Amino acid sequence: GESVGLHLPTLSVQEGDNSIINCAYSNSASDYFIWYKQESGKGPQFIIDIRSNMDKRQGQRVTVLLNKTVKHLSLQIAATQPGDSAVYFCAENLANTGANSKLTFGKGITLSVRP
Amino acid sequence: GAGVSQSPSNKVTEKGKDVELRCDPISGHTALYWYRQSLGQGLEFLIYFQGNSAPDKSGLPSDRFSAERTGGSVSTLTIQRTQQEDSAVYLCASSLGRRQPQHFGDGTRLSIL
Repeated sequence: GESVGLHLPTLSVQEGDNSIINCAYSNSASDYFIWYKQESGKGPQFIIDIRSNMDKRQGQRVTVLLNKTVKHLSLQIAATQPGDSAVYFCAENLANTGANSKLTFGKGITLSVRP
Repeated sequence: GAGVSQSPSNKVTEKGKDVELRCDPISGHTALYWYRQSLGQGLEFLIYFQGNSAPDKSGLPSDRFSAERTGGSVSTLTIQRTQQEDSAVYLCASSLGRRQPQHFGDGTRLSIL
């Protein structure tokens, strides 16, 4: 069936390095994607989103890249800091069918930042 | 308030009891969503509200689960005759509409003894 998934369950990076978190999606009808960060005991926190008519979008220290050809989404975090340690989720939304507004989430990847 | 507010933050109850979870969305957000997150897992969609109507209830796992929204604002998720497999974190999110970021509350951690 259609699904959103992450390539690796954990990622360990050195403080100050750049982090890249990857996500594969299989539903070609998805037209909106979001990255969330979730810290222990908290709800998911919105990081950045991208629509399918874009290939790249930048925020503060974060960049999301969308490759529709291979159905791949990535989140790049520049100069990773200890506060970036968390679980990261990608999520997809199917194209507008009126009633269909739910997000489908991947299982999450843990980012651990080494001091 | 500035964000999505959920209550209670924690709920422990005995198997067979009914529970009611509350969500207060961001003011002005017409869309409201309920998700469930089991330990170490991703989020599972339960139900979506647009205004007071629920055009997508496809994620509700059984007829023991129901939800309502009144005044286009506060929503309650009710679980009747709770079972141990209902133990999870129940998350609520709201957004301005489709293809807009969904903003989450910190959830209700439900534990069924």
